[in-house]
Amino acid sequence: KQEVTQIPAALSVPEGENLVLNCSFTDSAIYNLQWFRQDPGKGLTSLLLIQSSQREQTSGRLNASLDKSSGRSTLYIAASQPGDSATYLCAVSPSSGSARQLTFGSGTQLTVLP
Amino acid sequence: NAGVMQNPRHLVRRRGQEARLRCSPMKGHSHVYWYRQLPEEGLKFMVYLQKENIIDESGMPKERFSAEFPKEGPSILRIQQVVRGDSAAYFCASSPADTEAFFGQGTRLTVV
Repeated sequence: KQEVTQIPAALSVPEGENLVLNCSFTDSAIYNLQWFRQDPGKGLTSLLLIQSSQREQTSGRLNASLDKSSGRSTLYIAASQPGDSATYLCAVSPSSGSARQLTFGSGTQLTVLP
Repeated sequence: NAGVMQNPRHLVRRRGQEARLRCSPMKGHSHVYWYRQLPEEGLKFMVYLQKENIIDESGMPKERFSAEFPKEGPSILRIQQVVRGDSAAYFCASSPADTEAFFGQGTRLTVV
């Protein structure tokens, strides 16, 4: 059974810092990995999706990497801003089975202090 | 192209009542997924549907919960005889095929 772990559970940084969020998964047989952002009381916004054959994806100040063999992904946020404050979720999709079920981590709650 | 639309956004039910949560997928998407987020927990898969078919319901509680995705109209997640433990955020996602899934804003169910 796939398990996804995110470390740290919470992180508080001053504005302008570069930071790294970590995600690990136990079963390397994945189809893809996604990073989401969840704002309090709101839905999920997909930030980056990395296919299993890819190593990284970039979007603006965000860069996500994937090391499938070691079961790890990182989300790098450059020059953090208070507006980046949210919970960041990592989710993996299985490569086997007929359904595409995302297994989510419990998230990292990020606070960027002005 | 509107995103995944869920309604209502907030739903309050008394114990024993029925809750109906609706999800309209993005235009052109025929795959729908329902997830539940209990307080202080991560999202957990419940059910995966295509038009008129339940493909995988391995995450659905065995009793009181059902889901459908009819040929016409939105997907419905139905919870009968709700209990306090059903209070959660229920998210729907859709995709055109085996690709990236897009999530709705969720329905927050509170059972009083």
